[in-house]
Amino acid sequence: SAVISQKPSRDICQRGTSLTIQCQVDSQVTMMFWYRQQPGQSLTLIATANQGSEATYESGFVIDKFPISRPNLTFSTLTVSNMSPEDSSIYLCSVVRGGETQYFGPGTRLLVL
Amino acid sequence: LAKTTQPISMDSYEGQEVNITCSHNNIATNDYITWYQQFPSQGPRFIIQGYKTKVTNEVASLFIPADRKSSTLSLPRVSLSDTAVYYCLVGEGNSNSGYALNFGKGTSLLVTP
Repeated sequence: SAVISQKPSRDICQRGTSLTIQCQVDSQVTMMFWYRQQPGQSLTLIATANQGSEATYESGFVIDKFPISRPNLTFSTLTVSNMSPEDSSIYLCSVVRGGETQYFGPGTRLLVL
Repeated sequence: LAKTTQPISMDSYEGQEVNITCSHNNIATNDYITWYQQFPSQGPRFIIQGYKTKVTNEVASLFIPADRKSSTLSLPRVSLSDTAVYYCLVGEGNSNSGYALNFGKGTSLLVTP
């Protein structure tokens, strides 16, 4: 298994501001992912963040809005920029370990006013 | 990637066996079937994965018929704590998909006393 922590666990932000979410893993992993889960919805992949390369974004998500850093094999950040109420969601990071099993962090609950 | 169809919601009483069926008519030869569980305010958790016939672990059983066009997640003697959303994923989270997961809507299971 993998132990994943995220900071902050929740936050309330004003529109127009930015929030950086941190994801820390208990051991080195190559592949890390960021997902968004809007209220009452399923998870949607934002981007894949592999160490040593630029993040790969899914359709509908752009680097200017969701810049990602992956400075080492145990850590990543996702920034939600110029927030609007539509960005209110749970943001989750995940990693692949043990072949293909994916492990998720507890999520960051974001409310934008 | 194979599309999945599963019931939106299910209800059960404590102590009963719950079977959640997922249809995946377009499953490819190399696709595995994976189920995740998500409790409120938590990230999804891997439950079980299979390719054909039957797989059992300490949490659940997964039944896959010979044609592999469907699968059934079986939860024996559910308790209140099994109330969660259950996601069926096919052909996801492997090297062919870049290990990213494409979550459908899932089945919301409610267990009552």
